[in-house]
Amino acid sequence: DQQVKQNSPSLSVQEGRISILNCDYTNSMFDYFLWYKKYPAEGPTFLISISSIKDKNEDGRFTVFLNKSAKHLSLHIVPSQPGDSAVYFCAAPDGGGTSYGKLTFGQGTILTVHP
Amino acid sequence: GAGVSQSPSNKVTEKGKDVELRCDPISGHTALYWYRQSLGQGLEFLIYFQGNSAPDKSGLPSDRFSAERTGGSVSTLTIQRTQQEDSAVYLCASSSTGTSIEQYFGPGTRLTVT
Repeated sequence: DQQVKQNSPSLSVQEGRISILNCDYTNSMFDYFLWYKKYPAEGPTFLISISSIKDKNEDGRFTVFLNKSAKHLSLHIVPSQPGDSAVYFCAAPDGGGTSYGKLTFGQGTILTVHP
Repeated sequence: GAGVSQSPSNKVTEKGKDVELRCDPISGHTALYWYRQSLGQGLEFLIYFQGNSAPDKSGLPSDRFSAERTGGSVSTLTIQRTQQEDSAVYLCASSSTGTSIEQYFGPGTRLTVT
C-alpha cells in the first residue's frame, strides 16, 4: 500500500521557468510533510516542510502547497536553475504527537532544468 | 560539524555471504534510522532507534536483516546470506530527537550482490 505517491517519474523544465512537483497521499493521519532533494551518490537533503495546519510554506525560491481535502501537495520552484536538477522526494512521518519516527517516502521525481 | 557518515561507500559481495554496513550519526542525535533505495524505487524504511527504547524493526524485510546500535551512537546493519534482491543503496539518517521532523542522511552504502 503506497501511502505517499509521486506519479510523475520525471519533469523537464527550462531555466527561469517554474517547476511544479506533485505528491499525493492516502493516510489522513499524516500531519507533516517534507520535501527532500537528492543528487547522485549523495544522501537526500531536507528542503522544506509543511504542517497540516497550514496550506502554504515558502522558503526563498521554494514553496510547498498543501490541499488536505484532496490529499495533495506540490512543490513549486521559481525560478528554476540548472543546479536544481536532482531527484525530489516527498515524505511524511508516520507518527504524530510527541514522536515522529520513520518517514514514508514517495518514489521520487527526477527534475531536469535545462539552461 | 560532521554530518552522518557511512562505510563502506560501496560493497560488492557474493550471494550467500554476510555483510556489515556501518553508520556514524551526527554527534548528540538520539534517533537513528536505516532506509534502503532499490533501483528506481523510493526510500524504504528498515529500522529505527530512539534513545534507549526498543528499536522499531517493522521495516526489516526478512530475518536475515538485523541492526544494532552500540552506546547510543554508531549503528551496524547486518545482512546474512545475502541475496541478489538485497542489492540497493542503504541509507542511514539521524535526527536530534524522535520529535524532530528533519532527518539528516548519510551518503549511503551501495551494496551489489553478485
